[in-house]
Amino acid sequence: GQQLNQSPQSMFIQEGEDVSMNCTSSSIFNTWLWYKQDPGEGPVLLIALYKAGELTSNGRLTAQFGITRKDSFLNISASIPSDVGIYFCAGLNYGGSQGNLIFGKGTKLSVKP
Amino acid sequence: DAGVTQSPTHLIKTRGQQVTLRCSPKSGHDTVSWYQQALGQGPQFIFQYYEEEERQRGNFPDRFSGHQFPNYSSELNVNALLLGDSALYLCASSWGRDRQFFGPGTRLTVL
Repeated sequence: GQQLNQSPQSMFIQEGEDVSMNCTSSSIFNTWLWYKQDPGEGPVLLIALYKAGELTSNGRLTAQFGITRKDSFLNISASIPSDVGIYFCAGLNYGGSQGNLIFGKGTKLSVKP
Repeated sequence: DAGVTQSPTHLIKTRGQQVTLRCSPKSGHDTVSWYQQALGQGPQFIFQYYEEEERQRGNFPDRFSGHQFPNYSSELNVNALLLGDSALYLCASSWGRDRQFFGPGTRLTVL
């Protein structure tokens, strides 16, 4: 099935570092969402973006809806150990019969050894 | 306010068997979507139910079917199970086509 291109695939963080990840698509979306998934659990919604160019924050998390509507970025500032997990971007289009989320493959955040 | 709940948590079946997974949406939500998540992958859309009807379907065979009840809860049925059906099955609920909130998932293992 269709998936978004999410990068990086994985990264290691040290507590206090800032983290950036992004997601690109060949097609445009009306809405971008970012989820975090911990092992054995379902994805938890972090941020939803509804307008091209929109910049939205949720605590230490900041996400942006790309102007072309084909990409989105997520930044985590001053990372802490509980930020470890897998982050997924998802695109959504309204209208007609559409309404399903298209997901990236995820960015896995781990703690630097 | 209870979030999305799913049952069972884990399930082990053998090839050729049939399975039914259940989902109760978040309070106030009327739309239920089902996703399949293979290991190391993002969730893949199976189908979406609204007003007790399948509104949209992803690229999954007819062996995958569903139902939505008047109280908005939903079931996912998979017939003639294959080894490749082993995955985490996620249910997400929403108010119409708004943000989707996920349940904890059902881990299905097919032997």
